[in-house]
Amino acid sequence: DAGITQSPRHKVTETGTPVTLRCHQTENHRYMYWYRQDPGHGLRLIHYSYGVKDTDKGEVSDGYSVSRSKTEDFLLTLESATSSQTSVYFCAISESPGRSYGYTFGSGTRLTVV
Amino acid sequence: TQLLEQSPQFLSIQEGENLTVYCNSSSVFSSLQWYRQEPGEGPVLLVTVVTGGEVKKLKRLTFQFGDARKDSSLHITAAQPGDTGLYLCAATNTGNQFYFGTGTSLTVIP
Repeated sequence: DAGITQSPRHKVTETGTPVTLRCHQTENHRYMYWYRQDPGHGLRLIHYSYGVKDTDKGEVSDGYSVSRSKTEDFLLTLESATSSQTSVYFCAISESPGRSYGYTFGSGTRLTVV
Repeated sequence: TQLLEQSPQFLSIQEGENLTVYCNSSSVFSSLQWYRQEPGEGPVLLVTVVTGGEVKKLKRLTFQFGDARKDSSLHITAAQPGDTGLYLCAATNTGNQFYFGTGTSLTVIP
């Protein structure tokens, strides 16, 4: 199995608090992604990274920030959690953004904002 | 607006039956992928297709990319309970970002 782990696996937090989710990979892949998965919407891209300190926004980036200080770690931060951010968050890695390369996903973090 | 429409949304069949699920769009893509996701886990890549009309087989699963590269189908022959899961298609026209459909939830009843 590809070396990609997400932490925590489950988290319950209160509205207005900051939350950080971590994605760690051991594959030395350049590209890392954060998605959220919600019923009726499928997987939607939040942010992605194409190298250390190089990040870009996805289609649902409002309310989220990311950081990548090392190749192996990609952090997703909810600055002030809201109930609409209750979701399952997946991290993915890719060797290249090319059309022939697929994603390897982590097992997800289930976040509940109460 | 969903870029990729998958149908049916839910499918429940008996073991041994055949089935086809679809992924459609009005956009042209350079690459399309199919993933399977089991409860509590992340999606797992099954196949990538890049050429219009391309057909790929993975054991009992047959994947086809439409001639115009706007749609794809996944056919499963003699479904087994182990095929149960959420099937997702994902496509790109730039390679930088893949867009995902909402998925087909398949249940194969023993």
